[in-house]
Amino acid sequence: NAGVTQTPKFRVLKTGQSMTLLCAQDMNHEYMYWYRQDPGMGLRLIHYSVGEGTTAKGEVPDGYNVSRLKKQNFLLGLESAAPSQTSVYFCASSIGGAGTQYFGPGTRLTVL
Amino acid sequence: SQQGEEDPQALSIQEGENATMNCSYKTSINNLQWYRQNSGRGLVHLILIRSNEREKHSGRLRVTLDTSKKSSSLLITASRAADTASYFCAPNPGGSNYKLTFGKGTLLTVNP
Repeated sequence: NAGVTQTPKFRVLKTGQSMTLLCAQDMNHEYMYWYRQDPGMGLRLIHYSVGEGTTAKGEVPDGYNVSRLKKQNFLLGLESAAPSQTSVYFCASSIGGAGTQYFGPGTRLTVL
Repeated sequence: SQQGEEDPQALSIQEGENATMNCSYKTSINNLQWYRQNSGRGLVHLILIRSNEREKHSGRLRVTLDTSKKSSSLLITASRAADTASYFCAPNPGGSNYKLTFGKGTLLTVNP
């Protein structure tokens, strides 16, 4: 049981480049989330999904898009990266909305 | 969604001492969860306390909940250097509001 995995672990982008972060979970969870964590800011919710084929905006959705084509995968896309998107990105999943969230190890993204 | 506020922001103690962290929140909850984050890692769920519970134990962890004061506390007894981490509370309103929001956390340093 791998739990929640994220790829890649590290990435450096130039301003304007695009990329996709992949989150995968093998726990058959319905809910999945993308957060970003910046120094002194705690975790902030970017987008989330309550099931396959659904997505919804979180606290800081601008500049990001997501897709949940398969229940086990939740993709986070940056269409045109900006230095303000330099951050550590965490994916999480949960059985339901009120339950425990299980986090991936994170992706450290630097946008130059 | 609502955010928990942890207090203090930082706490430094000696190994063997107890550590107490507090969390305050603003509206009614279904449950409240505590998470730990070691440096450079994802969050790990520690304990969940439901709104009808007042106290819960898990190993060296003791969590209390006072819904009348909208506050919770996390006590770590006989702390170890390995307990050095950031600790986050996440009040969960439940119902249709299924987004956990995390505060900035308490950074606990346990000195050997």
